[in-house]
Amino acid sequence: QSVLTQPPSVSAAPGQKVTISCSGSSSNIGSFLVSWYQQFPGTAPKLLIYDTDKRPSGIPDRFSGSKSGTSATLGITGLQTGDEADYYCGTWDSSLSAVVFGGGTTVTVL
Amino acid sequence: QVQLLQSGAEVKKPGASVKVSCKASGYTFSSYAVHWVRQAPGQWLEWMGWVNAGNGDTKYSQKFQGRVTITRDTYASTAYMELSSLTSEDTAVYYCARGQLPHWNSFDPWGQGTLVTVSS
Repeated sequence: QSVLTQPPSVSAAPGQKVTISCSGSSSNIGSFLVSWYQQFPGTAPKLLIYDTDKRPSGIPDRFSGSKSGTSATLGITGLQTGDEADYYCGTWDSSLSAVVFGGGTTVTVL
Repeated sequence: QVQLLQSGAEVKKPGASVKVSCKASGYTFSSYAVHWVRQAPGQWLEWMGWVNAGNGDTKYSQKFQGRVTITRDTYASTAYMELSSLTSEDTAVYYCARGQLPHWNSFDPWGQGTLVTVSS
């Protein structure tokens, strides 16, 4: 299974807010920056958040990232049908000397 | 714009090897790393390794050590990932992605992906 733990799915109505958790340990999230990726079916992942809480240009401020201890969180406000996708967290793991990812979370807009 | 363009889909028999290419454009190739990440059908992302496009240094995930080789051709601005001793469990979409140097912090952008199917 994946090194980082994410909920398999979250859902909310249009306009509402969802949060996606990403749980790790002191050797990964607890020590390193986190990035988040959005992936639509059949397409490549796209960078959504880097350096834990920074948005690349072109990413709306409805998307936000944060971290506390060994857990990181992605927040999506003003949920839109176009946000329905899979979301992955990623970071470096010093014990494994590898980039590690979460198992992915599917966002559904009700 | 910054872009990574990968080679086309491959079908291989068990025990064979596959080599996937990733051509970069829109940035200074040697100033970044190129990573390889794979995704089995319905599964999560799995990091395989990277090459420093500047000096050619490589680092591989322990899971693939000994079976994967990542190289680059600076003149062609192209990175390559070769995976040997293929089994059905290697059936996946393989992505290349640009990473920062000297320390990775995120992947941006990603290639479009290359489907590798291993079947007898």
